[in-house]
Amino acid sequence: GNSVTQMEGPVTLSEEAFLTINCTYTATGYPSLFWYVQYPGEGLQLLLKATKADDKGSNKGFEATYRKETTSFHLEKGSVQVSDSAVYFCALRNTNAGKSTFGDGTTLTVKP
Amino acid sequence: EPEVTQTPSHQVTQMGQEVILRCVPISNHLYFYWYRQILGQKVEFLVSFYNNEISEKSEIFDDQFSVERPDGSNFTLKIRSTKLEDSAMYFCASSDEMNTEAFFGQGTRLTVV
Repeated sequence: GNSVTQMEGPVTLSEEAFLTINCTYTATGYPSLFWYVQYPGEGLQLLLKATKADDKGSNKGFEATYRKETTSFHLEKGSVQVSDSAVYFCALRNTNAGKSTFGDGTTLTVKP
Repeated sequence: EPEVTQTPSHQVTQMGQEVILRCVPISNHLYFYWYRQILGQKVEFLVSFYNNEISEKSEIFDDQFSVERPDGSNFTLKIRSTKLEDSAMYFCASSDEMNTEAFFGQGTRLTVV
């Protein structure tokens, strides 16, 4: 079956530090990959996506590249802000199945 | 921007009571989903719904759960007899196709006491 493994948290960084949150997956076929963000007390928001190998998703300074050879979709940001503090979820969807499979989530705290 | 809306945002219910969680998916979407997130844990798939029937469900989605699209716009999740362990955030989601991104609502926090 499908599975997503995320880097364990929590992660605490200082403002303007570089962020990497690792995500690897197991899936049959060629899934689409997503990062969702959940701010405190809020729902899930799509942050970025990639639908095929070597695609790079980007949004709000965050980037992730779909690496089929390493089955990875690591999230990166060059300079984090306090407002980036949230829980980040990596997820996948297979082309022949509607449901999403989520990782455990990684809590990021950015300190001023 | 179109969005998925869920009501209520927070519901408190007594154990054994029935609850109905409501969702209005994005209007041109055809695929609908419910997920739950127990506090501090991962987001878990419950059920997917397409063409007025369940297309897939997880082992969590037992006989106590049911879904319905009663009027072409709302999508509901009913829990017949709530248990303490049903306390969680419930997310509704929709997508226009099976393999495109799902858009999530803000969630309903269900507390069973």
